[in-house]
Amino acid sequence: DVKVTQSSRYLVKRTGEKVFLECVQDMDHENMFWYRQDPGLGLRLIYFSYDVKMKEKGDIPEGYSVSREKKERFSLILESASTNQTSMYLCASSLLPGQGSNEQFFGPGTRLTVL
Amino acid sequence: KNEVEQSPQNLTAQEGEFITINCSYSVGISALHWLQQHPGGGIVSLFMLSSGKKKHGRLIATINIQEKHSSLHITASHPRDSAVYICAVHMNRDDKIIFGKGTRLHILP
Repeated sequence: DVKVTQSSRYLVKRTGEKVFLECVQDMDHENMFWYRQDPGLGLRLIYFSYDVKMKEKGDIPEGYSVSREKKERFSLILESASTNQTSMYLCASSLLPGQGSNEQFFGPGTRLTVL
Repeated sequence: KNEVEQSPQNLTAQEGEFITINCSYSVGISALHWLQQHPGGGIVSLFMLSSGKKKHGRLIATINIQEKHSSLHITASHPRDSAVYICAVHMNRDDKIIFGKGTRLHILP
């Protein structure tokens, strides 16, 4: 059974704090993604990674960075959290194009509140 | 204009009703994805299709590539089907995924 896990379901942080969101997948997928989901805006891609130590900006990378030191783990970092980063954060993983189905498998989400 | 449009945005129906959620897109795609998100946030993949029709239990998904349109149907709807249903397309040109804004479905007992 495929699995994507995220380190926290709920997180409350203060403005200016450094925040780490962790995502781990056990499917040996090359691709990993971080999205945020906001009412009325749907899912928006922040960053993705197609290999260890590789990263690509998504549609809204500002204010975020990522780290992929191991294949199974993809971390999203908020260097200095701000209130407009209050959101639901979703991690996903998939095979690379051409390796088979590029269906994405999602984690349970982390609801982050920045006060 | 959004490249992926879903309708309706919100839908409330009685238990047992036949439900249809629509997704239209304006880009060339390699596949279309229907996702389900229950309260609490986790997203589950329902279908991934690039042509024709797929069925899983009471759920049916169809896609018409020429018309750039897909529908998700739920037969004999049940309150546990209450969720947000999201359409997502894999774009041909760069394999990126674009998500619709979702349809919030509420099935009344």
